[in-house]
Amino acid sequence: NAGVTQTPKFQVLKTGQSMTLQCAQDMNHEYMSWYRQDPGMGLRLIHYSVGAGITDQGEVPNGYNVSRSTTEDFPLRLLSAAPSQTSVYFCASSYVRTSSGANVLTFGAGSRLTVL
Amino acid sequence: AQSVTQPDIHITVSEGASLELRCNYSYGATPYLFWYVQSPGQGLQLLLKYFSGDTLVQGIKGFEAEFKRSQSSFNLRKPSVHWSDAAEYFCAVGAVGNNDMRFGAGTRLTVKP
Repeated sequence: NAGVTQTPKFQVLKTGQSMTLQCAQDMNHEYMSWYRQDPGMGLRLIHYSVGAGITDQGEVPNGYNVSRSTTEDFPLRLLSAAPSQTSVYFCASSYVRTSSGANVLTFGAGSRLTVL
Repeated sequence: AQSVTQPDIHITVSEGASLELRCNYSYGATPYLFWYVQSPGQGLQLLLKYFSGDTLVQGIKGFEAEFKRSQSSFNLRKPSVHWSDAAEYFCAVGAVGNNDMRFGAGTRLTVKP
């Protein structure tokens, strides 16, 4: 059971380049999300999805696109990278409903992105 | 939307000493509350959670947290800290009825030998 797998672990981009951060989970979780982690700011929610074909914006969605064509995968796309997007990105997933009423997130190991 | 404040950016304690990390939340209804721990270069691991019922919850690695509705707080405690507890700790709040989770800025714990 791999849990939540993120690729790549490290990436360096130049301003204006595009790229996709991959996230896959094998736990049949309906809910998947992307966070960015910046020093002193904790984790901020970028986008999330509660199932295939359904996505929604979080706190800081600008500059990022997502899609959810399958339950397993939730890629995060940067269409035109900017230095402000230098960060560590975490994908997380959970069941939408649990017997306890709310989600317990399982996190990937993170992807460190540097935009020059 | 809900929000979380962790007032302490960095805390240093001696090994064997007690620990309390503070967390205050803002949410108009009963929140779901979580503490996660992040070791350097790693993802986040759940320490404990509060959904309802007993306001004192036990977690892994000997941690506990107490939900105090009157103070909008969910402080994390450990009676005796071990060197391996050095990490960053995040408090998070979830909203009833949706999946939106908000995290605090984190508290970095250093453990002195």
